[in-house]
Amino acid sequence: QVQLQQWGAGLLKPSETLSLTCGVYGDSFSIYYWTWIRQPPGKGLEWIGEINQSGSTNYNPSLKSRVTISIDTSKNQFSLKLSFVTAADMAMYYCARERVGSGKYYEIDYWGQGTLVTVSS
Amino acid sequence: DIQMTQSPSSLSASVGDRVIITCRASQSVSRYLSWYQQKPGQAPNLLIYAASSLQSGVPSRFSGSGSGTDFTLTITSLQPEDFATYYCQQTYSTRTFGQGTKVEIE
Repeated sequence: QVQLQQWGAGLLKPSETLSLTCGVYGDSFSIYYWTWIRQPPGKGLEWIGEINQSGSTNYNPSLKSRVTISIDTSKNQFSLKLSFVTAADMAMYYCARERVGSGKYYEIDYWGQGTLVTVSS
Repeated sequence: DIQMTQSPSSLSASVGDRVIITCRASQSVSRYLSWYQQKPGQAPNLLIYAASSLQSGVPSRFSGSGSGTDFTLTITSLQPEDFATYYCQQTYSTRTFGQGTKVEIE
């Protein structure tokens, strides 16, 4: 059974850097894209970006200048850094696994438990 | 970016009702379209992928259709556990989600 378990600081001050890590248990890193998604309180889902096992990344253009996603295949972990946070970055942050199906379609089949990030001075 | 627009944003329905949620893309996404269900305090859960394929373990009352720019999620005979928020997502290019449709008890 695949499990994604995430951790990181939940309380930040404005201008600090958000840092979260997601550990993958029960499966290897091959084939999949490893994804970060966020959800402000009471609002919808926003895709942040993704990385594959080769370290190739894709980012949301609206966040690209502040986001770095990295991967450590030796530890089965991937990480998110978001610099210069503001109140607008307050959200539940999820890590997730995007699989590539037999028809070459992509969908998210596993999610982490979420980390609530608060930004306050 | 490809914009995804869901309608309605919310709806009220009763147990046993047939519910249809639509998702429109600002440009063609072929069949690179997934549907997710999210309940309060939980991560989303995959229902439908590739526009119409039912994820393993998801009840058959859920179905998806469409291709190109117009898609629908249908719930036949709504059950109490189906009251939740539903999101579409395109994976044709840089991923984007619809704004969500909240299904509430009438």
